[in-house]
Amino acid sequence: AQKITQTQPGMFVQEKEAVTLDCTYDTSDPSYGLFWYKQPSSGEMIFLIYQGSYDQQNATEGRYSLNFQKARKSANLVISASQLGDSAMYFCAMRSVSGAGSYQLTFGKGTKLSVIP
Amino acid sequence: NAGVTQTPKFQVLKTGQSMTLQCAQDMNHEYMSWYRQDPGMGLRLIHYSVGAGITDQGEVPNGYNVSRSTTEDFPLRLLSAAPSQTSVYFCASSAYRGGEQYFGPGTRLTVT
Repeated sequence: AQKITQTQPGMFVQEKEAVTLDCTYDTSDPSYGLFWYKQPSSGEMIFLIYQGSYDQQNATEGRYSLNFQKARKSANLVISASQLGDSAMYFCAMRSVSGAGSYQLTFGKGTKLSVIP
Repeated sequence: NAGVTQTPKFQVLKTGQSMTLQCAQDMNHEYMSWYRQDPGMGLRLIHYSVGAGITDQGEVPNGYNVSRSTTEDFPLRLLSAAPSQTSVYFCASSAYRGGEQYFGPGTRLTVT
């Protein structure tokens, strides 16, 4: 079974500081993908970053980077230079072949990030 | 492009009523999915489709039906609403298997 674990229900970070949101996953599939989504208070789901299991380098998208440690089965999201607009729920998700809904996403329960001015 | 659109945005139903949540995308994506989001539970997959005429069940399919007669539309039907179906429902689409999923704005459903 596919499983995503986000152990931090809530996090606080000072504006302009960096923050790491944890995500660990469990799968027996050799090929999988890991996604991070942001959900602001308005409710929409916004795609942030993607890492494939065979990618050699960690993914980066602007201020977002994914710290992918395959042996540890972790895919932590790092946000550099936090901004007030980063306050939101953040979801880690995994796509793998044999999960319920082949190639669909399994989500973690999310981490609520609050950026303090 | 409008992306993924969902209607209605809000809905209140009485137990036992039926209704259809609409989802449409204008990106010509083959893959579409329905998720529900409950407090503290993240998103869970209800049903998905890999193309017109092809649908399959996800993690929590009971009480819901889907059909996919066109590439653009993927409606979700609640057959006999129950309070346990009170949730926020998201429709999503992607261009290819395993690709980034684009989400609609969600429908907040309350069943009393």
